[in-house]
Amino acid sequence: EPEVTQTPSHQVTQMGQEVILRCVPISNHLYFYWYRQILGQKVEFLVSFYNNEISEKSEIFDDQFSVERPDGSNFTLKIRSTKLEDSAMYFCASRREGPDTQYFGPGTRLTVL
Amino acid sequence: GDSVTQMEGPVTLSEEAFLTINCTYTATGYPSLFWYVQYPGEGLQLLLKATKADDKGSNKGFEATYRKETTSFHLEKGSVQVSDSAVYFCALSEMRDDKIIFGKGTRLHILP
Repeated sequence: EPEVTQTPSHQVTQMGQEVILRCVPISNHLYFYWYRQILGQKVEFLVSFYNNEISEKSEIFDDQFSVERPDGSNFTLKIRSTKLEDSAMYFCASRREGPDTQYFGPGTRLTVL
Repeated sequence: GDSVTQMEGPVTLSEEAFLTINCTYTATGYPSLFWYVQYPGEGLQLLLKATKADDKGSNKGFEATYRKETTSFHLEKGSVQVSDSAVYFCALSEMRDDKIIFGKGTRLHILP
């Protein structure tokens, strides 16, 4: 069964460094998402992406964040200058056209020191 | 704004016990409701969903009924197994939005 994959599974970085989290959505999916979960808190929506542009973003998704689909398979989340409070589990999700379920990846745990 | 509230965990039960995890929601529109499960080391998997009032979602012995009058979507299972140990997330999504709004999650431990 096809699945969403994410790399790396765990990323440790220093405050102020740039990080890129990578996702490979399911191949025939057209809608892509990033969510995050700070330890002990809710899973929160960050951004949705369709047709090579952002469809919607939350208040969390400020100028430090960007997303890109650099080729036909990857979907990336970049944090330009990480802060301690960016430490969280980041989940990628994708879905097909039409009203359909979002399929989630296993997550990348980001630790900012 | 829309929100989901679910019971705090962890919940610890013995194998074959009856499970209920409570979930209530607040929504301005008419949302679809979901239960997602996260097994250790894995991603969020859709367990079941319901898209309109009185619909019952079911999967792997789990059930939840969309109750509009009480704005609830409680998860139940008649006889839990050790393999059901996981974190369970109640969630909603409005038609006008594409994002999913999650509850905090409830960790379930099943003892053999």
